[in-house]
Amino acid sequence: DQQVKQNSPSLSVQEGRISILNCDYTNSMFDYFLWYKKYPAEGPTFLISISSIKDKNEDGRFTVFLNKSAKHLSLHIVPSQPGDSAVYFCAARGSGGYNKLIFGAGTRLAVHP
Amino acid sequence: EPEVTQTPSHQVTQMGQEVILRCVPISNHLYFYWYRQILGQKVEFLVSFYNNEISEKSEIFDDQFSVERPDGSNFTLKIRSTKLEDSAMYFCASSERQGQTEAFFGQGTRLTVV
Repeated sequence: DQQVKQNSPSLSVQEGRISILNCDYTNSMFDYFLWYKKYPAEGPTFLISISSIKDKNEDGRFTVFLNKSAKHLSLHIVPSQPGDSAVYFCAARGSGGYNKLIFGAGTRLAVHP
Repeated sequence: EPEVTQTPSHQVTQMGQEVILRCVPISNHLYFYWYRQILGQKVEFLVSFYNNEISEKSEIFDDQFSVERPDGSNFTLKIRSTKLEDSAMYFCASSERQGQTEAFFGQGTRLTVV
C-alpha cells in the first residue's frame, strides 16, 4: 500500500534551524491528514492535523502545509530542538465513516546541538 | 493527562498458541482501534470498533483475529493461533469523535512468536 509516501527515511538538522518533513499521497479522496511523532518503545503521539479544505495549520513551533494540487504536505518545525528527535509519521484518512489511518513509512529526525 | 494503556508491554508466545492483547482506552472515548507495526515496516490498520461492533477491518484482520470490549473499560485483541509473521508491535488507539481525528495511541505491545 503506497498511498502515503515519506521518501526521506532520515533528516538531520541543527538545533535552532527549521526542520521540514515531507509527505506525498496518491488518493485524492483523503480528507484529513495527521502528523504523529514516535519515540522508541512508545506509541505514536499526535502532533498536528489539517483538513483537506485548508492549506495551512499552525500550532506553536509546528506548522503543516497542504498542497492539494500536488498531493503533498509538509511539516515545519521551527526552531528545532534536540527533544524533537524522533520518527515522524504522516497519516491520511479517507472521507466518511470510521476511517482507518494510512501511515507513511516515517522519517527519522535528528536534531543536533 | 489521560492516556491509552496497553498490557503486557512484551509477550512471547509459541507458534499456534492463542494470545490476548489488552488495552484500556481513554475513558470518554467511543472509538477504538488496533494497529500493528512489523519491524522495519509501516504502521498498518487492523480494525476499528464502535458501539460494540467492528466498524471496519483490513485484509490483515482475518478469522484468526477478534476484538472484544468485555466490560466498560477494556478493549482486547485476540489472535487464536499465532504465526511467526504475527510478530510485531501492536498499538491500541482510541478517539473521542468519529474519523480518528486526534486518535491517541498506547505505548504498544511487542508480540514475539517463536
